[in-house]
Amino acid sequence: GEEVAQTPKHLVRGEGQKAKLYCAPIKGHSYVFWYQQVLKNEFKFLISFQNENVFDETGMPKERFSAKCLPNSPCSLEIQATKLEDSAVYFCASSQSIAALDEKLFFGSGTQLSVL
Amino acid sequence: DAKTTQPNSMESNEEEPVHLPCNHSTISGTDYIHWYRQLPSQGPEYVIHGLTSNVNNRMASLAIAEDRKSSTLILHRATLRDAAVYYCILRDIRGSGTYKYIFGTGTRLKVLA
Repeated sequence: GEEVAQTPKHLVRGEGQKAKLYCAPIKGHSYVFWYQQVLKNEFKFLISFQNENVFDETGMPKERFSAKCLPNSPCSLEIQATKLEDSAVYFCASSQSIAALDEKLFFGSGTQLSVL
Repeated sequence: DAKTTQPNSMESNEEEPVHLPCNHSTISGTDYIHWYRQLPSQGPEYVIHGLTSNVNNRMASLAIAEDRKSSTLILHRATLRDAAVYYCILRDIRGSGTYKYIFGTGTRLKVLA
C-alpha cells in the first residue's frame, strides 16, 4: 500500500492484560520503526527492523515488550501484562532507504492504547 | 545523541512567512538535520532535511548556519493547514545498528486567520 497502516486505531485493556498492535509498512519499504508518544509532544523510540531482523532495540523495555516483523505479515508490537504507564499512542513508521540523502520516514496514524 | 532546542510555541498570521528556529550546538559532522511536523491526531510527517547547504522543497526551506550549530525551517506563506507541532531532529548516519530519530519537544505553531 501507499501508506503505513496501523491497527487497531484504539485499544482498551485492563491492567495486566495483553495488548497487540499491528503495522503494515509501505510496500517496498525495508525498514520499520516503532515509537511511543506518551505526552502530547514526547516521542520515545522503541525498536527498529530491517526486514525481519531487529536493527536497534535499545528503547525496548524487554521484560514486557516484544516486536516482530515476519515475511508476508504485518509487523507487530506486543505488550504482556500492560501497566497504566503503557497508555500512549504507538506510532509505526517505515522507510525505503537509510541512505542519508533520500532517507525519510513515513508514519502511520498511530494506535491509541488506553490501560485502565 | 546530540540534542536540539526549540521554542515551545510560535504564532504566525496566515499568508505570512514563518521562521522556526532550532539550536543544536552539539551537532557532529555526520548528523543530518531533519524536520518533521505532526498535525493534530496524525503521525509525524516529513518536511525537509539537510546536512550543510540550504535546502528547498515544495513544502519549505531549510537554512543551516555556517557552523551548523543552528538551523531555521522557513514556511514561505503559512496557511491554517500548517498549524502543527514542528520537530527538529538530528540524525546520525554513522555506524551500524543505530537507526533511531531522537525527537525533541518541538514547536507548536499556531496560525492566525
